[in-house]
Amino acid sequence: GESVGLHLPTLSVQEGDNSIINCAYSNSASDYFIWYKQESGKGPQFIIDIRSNMDKRQGQRVTVLLNKTVKHLSLQIAATQPGDSAVYFCAERKNSGYSTLTFGKGTMLLVSP
Amino acid sequence: GAVVSQHPSRVICKSGTSVKIECRSLDFQATTMFWYRQFPKQSLMLMATSNEGSKATYEQGVEKDKFLINHASLTLSTLTVTSAHPEDSSFYICSARNHLADTQYFGPGTRLTVL
Repeated sequence: GESVGLHLPTLSVQEGDNSIINCAYSNSASDYFIWYKQESGKGPQFIIDIRSNMDKRQGQRVTVLLNKTVKHLSLQIAATQPGDSAVYFCAERKNSGYSTLTFGKGTMLLVSP
Repeated sequence: GAVVSQHPSRVICKSGTSVKIECRSLDFQATTMFWYRQFPKQSLMLMATSNEGSKATYEQGVEKDKFLINHASLTLSTLTVTSAHPEDSSFYICSARNHLADTQYFGPGTRLTVL
């Protein structure tokens, strides 16, 4: 199930299940979005990105969906594995002339064997 | 993906000393580098953006005289925490981007502990 902790919401799933991590972004002018995975004590690792002219993009075991109407981004992980346990951040870039990414609060994914 | 390294990975220093953290892009030219700070169980907070050969642009609330940033080459940026105090203890992460691509790649982070 999904719960909200003091700082990070947490999603707990069983190994083999599909996981869906959601993110609401703030600016309708954002044109580029990235999902990062961060393991404890490490830097964020790029997972997948999507531009605003697309609504879906697939990678290996991961799919990103973009709904610009409601400013919502999701990351789907198929057949979740214990190694997927980490904090996942979405990031938005507010327009192409302003290259700074703004990060969401993050979601902790816990995968049980 | 592109590789970004940071050095040191962990540093412990006494209050009042200065600490330099290096960030290198190993296999691409980083026209822009970013420095973030992260507290436990929180998201990344952008501190400053630096373009090669230019002065860094600091985010609101970040003291530029406290956090000195140098981006002297297309593969190296440094962050110097001057006169460090215990409240500066944090996880500092750099990120690099090439002007030909949109994606930002992150370094492994530096854990700074000020005693």
